[in-house]
This record gives sequence, structure tokens and C-alpha cells, in this order.
Amino acid sequence: QVQLVESGGGVVQPGRSLRLSCAASGFTFSNNGMHWVRQAPGKGLEWVAVIWYDGSNEHYADSVKGRFTISRDNSRNTLYLQLNSLRVEDTAVYYCARDRELSTGCIDYWGQGTLVTVSS
Amino acid sequence: QSALTQPASVSGSPGQSITISCTGTSSDVGGYKYVSWYQQHPGKAPKLMISDVSNRPSGVSNRFSGSKSGNTASLTISGLQTEDEADYYCNSYTSSGTVVFGGGTKLTVL
Repeated sequence: QVQLVESGGGVVQPGRSLRLSCAASGFTFSNNGMHWVRQAPGKGLEWVAVIWYDGSNEHYADSVKGRFTISRDNSRNTLYLQLNSLRVEDTAVYYCARDRELSTGCIDYWGQGTLVTVSS
Repeated sequence: QSALTQPASVSGSPGQSITISCTGTSSDVGGYKYVSWYQQHPGKAPKLMISDVSNRPSGVSNRFSGSKSGNTASLTISGLQTEDEADYYCNSYTSSGTVVFGGGTKLTVL
């Protein structure tokens, strides 16, 4: 069965960096695009970034462009999100999610999320 | 990248039907078949309920259906049950290659 397990969340000060990881299993990781989606406490879902199945293309939400970097290691079945220049408003649960295909935005599997808290 | 527009809340009684709208533009909802709907219960990860405007993934009740007209997509839940009470989100692929979500709709089953 498909499993996505995020790690790397925690409490970090504004301006600092953090790297999230997502270990994938139960499917051929290199066949699917992968997303990061976040949800601030008590708020709705916000799409963050997508990376194509082979890592050849990436897209970002305007709110994180230039600060966050999505990447993947298909040999390790792992997705990453590098979060730099963190702001208080980046506080959220970050979900790793699988695209049904390359990058349609249709997310058919979600991880349980990892909480990032940006606070001084 | 403006969020798609959904009503903040809808409600219905058990057995009734409700519809949740999701309005975007010709650059997202109106331009592509890649509109999906998700159900999220408190403290849980979202669950895919509808893909490609109107397709139900395996295991999703046929009480859930989707449609689209122009720049507005809709999710209809018929025969409301108490377990349907949750937050519902739409999303769409966009012409920029990005993805946009709706603001979410809280469904209350009275």
C-alpha cells in the first residue's frame, strides 16, 4: 500500500532554515509527480510546490518562490523540501502528497503531515 | 495565484442533498479537466473524493458526484450522512503549471 511519511518538522526561529523529508513506499516513486501542501493552524489547504517524476521541472506558489526548494532522490524514494528565510506565516502542517500522474494537481495519496512552527 | 472561491459553509439534514461550488477562471477551473475534490476530517489528512471533474476513485461512495460548467465546478453529496460532516476543498491545475486550492467549505450535517 502507498505510504508517505514526512519528517524534519519542528520549531525554528524566523529567518532560519529547515529541511523536510518524505519517505515514499508501496509504489514506483519515479513514476509520479510529487507535491508539498501546507495547512496553517485552523486554516485551509495551500499548495506549495510540485516536482515532476524525474525532477526535470518544478513549480512553486508565489508565497514561497525564491525561499523554498523542492527536490527528490528517486534512488532513495525520498522527496525533500528545503525551507529558507522562514517567516512566522510559514507556520503550518506540511503534507507530502503524490500526484496521480506527472503533475495534474490531482493528489491521490497524502502523508500524515509534519508540523513546522516558526517563532522567536 | 488567487485561491478558488468556495462558500465558507453549507449545511443539510441527513438524507438531503447539498452542492458545494468552486469558482475559478479560464486559466484554471475553466481551462482544464484537472479539477479535484477532497474531504478532510479534523486532525486528519485530506482524502481524494473526485478527480478529473467527475470521476470517483475506487472506494468512494456513489453519493458523491462532481460536475463543471464554465469556470465553476461543483461537488454534490446526496443522501447526506452524519459521517459526511467535514471540510471540503477543490483544487485545479493552472495554466502556469501550478496548482490552486479553494478556501474550503465546512459541511455541517444537522
